[in-house]
Order: sequence, then C-alpha cells, then structure tokens
Amino acid sequence: EAGVAQSPRYKIIEKRQSVAFWCNPISGHATLYWYQQILGQGPKLLIQFQNNGVVDDSQLPKDRFSAERLKGVDSTLKIQPAKLEDSAVYLCASAPTPRRDTQYFGPGTRLTVL
Amino acid sequence: GNSVTQMEGPVTLSEEAFLTINCTYTATGYPSLFWYVQYPGEGLQLLLKATKADDKGSNKGFEATYRKETTSFHLEKGSVQVSDSAVYFCALSSPNTGNQFYFGTGTSLTVIP
Repeated sequence: EAGVAQSPRYKIIEKRQSVAFWCNPISGHATLYWYQQILGQGPKLLIQFQNNGVVDDSQLPKDRFSAERLKGVDSTLKIQPAKLEDSAVYLCASAPTPRRDTQYFGPGTRLTVL
Repeated sequence: GNSVTQMEGPVTLSEEAFLTINCTYTATGYPSLFWYVQYPGEGLQLLLKATKADDKGSNKGFEATYRKETTSFHLEKGSVQVSDSAVYFCALSSPNTGNQFYFGTGTSLTVIP
C-alpha cells in the first residue's frame, strides 16, 4: 500500500514570495491533516479535512495560509506571502476516519524562507 | 487546555542500555496517548498507543503505560539498538477537542555502538 505522498520535499524562497505544497493521502482515506513543525517543536495542526470539507482550521493563519481539497482526495496548502517565521517542515497526514489512532504521515516538505 | 511535556534531549546511549523518555500530559476528559517515532528523512510513524488508564502499549520492544494518577506515559525499552536512533514524540488526542492531536517537542535519541 502506498503511503502519504508529499511534494516538493524541500523549498527555499524569499520572504513575501508565495509557495504551495501538495499532498496525496493514502487511497480511501477520508480525513486529511496539515501540520506545521517548527525546528525543535512538535507538529502543530493547521487544518483538518473530512473528504472535501474543513473540520477544523482554528490554528490556520488565514491572512496568509490557505488550503483546499477540492475533490476529497489530494490537497494543496499555500502560503502567500511567506514570512521568515514560516520556515518549518509541513507535514501531511491521513486517516481512514477521524479516529484517534490512525493518522499516517508523509515525509514532509521542508520550507526555508530567507 | 491540552498539552504534552516530554523530556528534553538529546539523549545519547550505548547499545544495550536501558531507555526512558519521560512524558506528562494535561488534558480535558479522557485522552488517548501515543508515541510516534521519526527516523532521519522519514515521516512520523506510530510506535505505540494506549486508549485508557492502566493500558500498556508495546511495540518493537518499547513499552509505555497510561498512568492517570500521575498523568504520565513514559516510554521505556530494556535494551536499545543503533537502529533505534530517531526522534520520539509523545502525543495525545481527546474527544473533547475533536480528536485533534497534540504533540510534545520531541526527544532525539542517538544510540552508539
């Protein structure tokens, strides 16, 4: 079974530029999560989708971050414009249902904002 | 609110040494508790979990017991191997907060031959 796929693996941009990350969850997984992991910290949930609907985006900085999952399968997370403090690893995870213990993580995208 | 506090790293051990990584939590309701592991260059993998008080999660020689009285979920392994070198994250989820995951800051473990 293929795991969660993410691209790109690494991205370097200058502040005020835009960037987008892509995630393809495990086939059949209805729930998709985006996390931000700043160096030295644990992952922090940004947004949770159930199929193509948003379940929780309370910690998403909506003035600059946006995410979509239009067909209920793959998802895109965008930052526009980027700030220095956005430098982090962006992790995507998926689960068959929003149960507690079945989140499967992708390898992440490491973003560096200069 | 919900939060997880885990032992500061990095931790360096010799092969076959005993490992303990401390984790304590604050949560509303009755959370489930988890240990995730992140090997270099890879994503987070579920190592073990426990869903109620006094449950013991175990996998690959690692164990952790859900202690409600001390709000703890310490990770232990009797004899570590070089291949256990990774970053370990303690986490919780609670139905009171929509089963959102809360992670600790991670503890880096290096095992030397």
